[in-house]
Amino acid sequence: LAKTTQPISMDSYEGQEVNITCSHNNIATNDYITWYQQFPSQGPRFIIQGYKTKVTNEVASLFIPADRKSSTLSLPRVSLSDTAVYYCLVGEVASGAGSYQLTFGKGTKLSVIP
Amino acid sequence: DVKVTQSSRYLVKRTGEKVFLECVQDMDHENMFWYRQDPGLGLRLIYFSYDVKMKEKGDIPEGYSVSREKKERFSLILESASTNQTSMYLCASSSLARSTEAFFGQGTRLTVV
Repeated sequence: LAKTTQPISMDSYEGQEVNITCSHNNIATNDYITWYQQFPSQGPRFIIQGYKTKVTNEVASLFIPADRKSSTLSLPRVSLSDTAVYYCLVGEVASGAGSYQLTFGKGTKLSVIP
Repeated sequence: DVKVTQSSRYLVKRTGEKVFLECVQDMDHENMFWYRQDPGLGLRLIYFSYDVKMKEKGDIPEGYSVSREKKERFSLILESASTNQTSMYLCASSSLARSTEAFFGQGTRLTVV
């Protein structure tokens, strides 16, 4: 399983764009990059996933360079409600044979300041 | 709407008791997971299962066991609860086709006294 490294915490003011970078130097050919968001007292929630280049949805954008050794989650114009912990994971999308282990790290705690 | 339901939101048990945490999902998912979450330590995987009666140890299985007799239900068992097992326990499920897109329950805050 590819190990990921991301900052422990970040602060941002409301209305700013926030970029959280995740390093995954040992990413395998079949691995996708997935990000989750966790609000206090709730379970994590899937927000975005990508393999290469750029993916965008209603919540965030995910930028993945050609070498795929890192990825950046971008949150446009954050609000106080975006205060959460964000987790980066790397792994195969279709586990096929089973025995798939979904491993989270410590995540990045984003604090949005008024 | 997809749903993962954990049987209790809050639970208080005594040291030495046998504790059962139940998790049910309604999405026909093959994969199910149990995590514990403690301040500063993130989510740590205890056990996971990719099929009925199949189980695999995660990163911290000591002191825990699991049971998956039916596809929709995954139980975490604390054989003899100890105070260091006081934690938030989270259950999740995902399909084989989209294993990285997991759905989580609301969590069970277990306190062992």
